[in-house]
Amino acid sequence: DQQVKQNSPSLSVQEGRISILNCDYTNSMFDYFLWYKKYPAEGPTFLISISSIKDKNEDGRFTVFLNKSAKHLSLHIVPSQPGDSAVYFCAAMNTGFQKLVFGTGTRLLVSP
Amino acid sequence: SQTIHQWPATLVQPVGSPLSLECTVEGTSNPNLYWYRQAAGRGLQLLFYSVGIGQISSEVPQNLSASRPQDRQFILSSKKLLLSDSGFYLCAWSGLGGGDSNTEAFFGQGTRLTVV
Repeated sequence: DQQVKQNSPSLSVQEGRISILNCDYTNSMFDYFLWYKKYPAEGPTFLISISSIKDKNEDGRFTVFLNKSAKHLSLHIVPSQPGDSAVYFCAAMNTGFQKLVFGTGTRLLVSP
Repeated sequence: SQTIHQWPATLVQPVGSPLSLECTVEGTSNPNLYWYRQAAGRGLQLLFYSVGIGQISSEVPQNLSASRPQDRQFILSSKKLLLSDSGFYLCAWSGLGGGDSNTEAFFGQGTRLTVV
């Protein structure tokens, strides 16, 4: 049962344009959401998070949007840079249970 | 500052052999600890998580087990490895919190396990 889904396995964007990565979840008990970036053979690194009490959180070029009614979140990267090329995972947690569940990942390729 | 150590970085084991991967965390107490596996073409699958010593939650039925003998130590084990156990294993920790608290998880560098 995949509770966190990233339906796009890959995304290609030109440098300078916006990258939009999407994530859907099924468990309404999730109340905290995170995005991670991962390079091959390395552990994921944290990018940005959002609590269910908010609908937007911004950190530099990264903005996460949360639509609780649709159980959907997205990560916007503006402007995209070639160094952003990596696999991006969304993750969700019920902070009461501390169980952190990841999506299947989206491979982002930013071309010069 | 908090750090997480995971070893070994790579491991090649024959089918039927035992497995022990170790993860330790420094600089924090009572962390939540996680084991994930990233198999080829798949996402990060949660295998086990622990909110305290001796408290292990298993997410998927499998050939693996986990133990937490100390507060900041998390061990992933198998008595007999299968070919399907090959993958990239990641240990992570997070602190308690919610709302606007920082509950991000921090990952080790991972172990590439190849079962031959």
